Amino acid sequence: DIQMTQSPSSLSASVGDRVTITCQASQDISNYLNWYQQKPGKAPKLLIYDASNLETGVPSRFSGSGSGTDFTFTISSLQPEDIATYYCQQYDNLPGFTFGPGTKVDIK
Amino acid sequence: QVQLQESGPGLVKPSQTLSLTCTVSGGSISSGGYYWSWIRQHPGKGLEWIGYIYYSGSTYYNPSLKSRVTISVDTSKNQFSLKLSSVTAADTAVYYCARAQAAGARYFDYWGQGTLVTVSS
Repeated sequence: DIQMTQSPSSLSASVGDRVTITCQASQDISNYLNWYQQKPGKAPKLLIYDASNLETGVPSRFSGSGSGTDFTFTISSLQPEDIATYYCQQYDNLPGFTFGPGTKVDIK
Repeated sequence: QVQLQESGPGLVKPSQTLSLTCTVSGGSISSGGYYWSWIRQHPGKGLEWIGYIYYSGSTYYNPSLKSRVTISVDTSKNQFSLKLSSVTAADTAVYYCARAQAAGARYFDYWGQGTLVTVSS
């Protein structure tokens, strides 16, 4: 099984700060990595697919990069509405899916 | 716009079977191209993929739950369902239904709002 880790598990940043989250896979997953945002009491929302592709309608301050085992998710300028938990999700070992443990982002 | 809506009991007794249904609107399950999935989230925890079904009826389950999970589809009602047997308190969670692309980038693009199921006597 492919295991996913994320770091940090939580972070606090100021409005306007650049925020970076990393996701690491236990083995090479190419670019088969997606990122989701989940706000309290809501379902997750797709932000980035295939490591670096921005989903339609998602603000350009969100971006993703990486391939193989190491991936990065970035918010270029943190906004108050970005307070949420962010999850990575791999699909390399189809037919199954695995989510990372999540990173909670707060405003300092 | 595709919409998914979970329904079912919010309280299940230990050792019984949890049963949920997801009703899809704005798109047809039988059109193919998607994995119709169940995902759960324990209180305050992360996301756990449970399994999915294709319109043809083929299924795949998370190996950790496989012995207790059954997912079925009713294309005439545009619904798919989850049954989880022999539940314990550890199965208390918010259960989401979601749609995943079955080709190309395999992401979950539409989700239900989620339904909390509590296992308690």
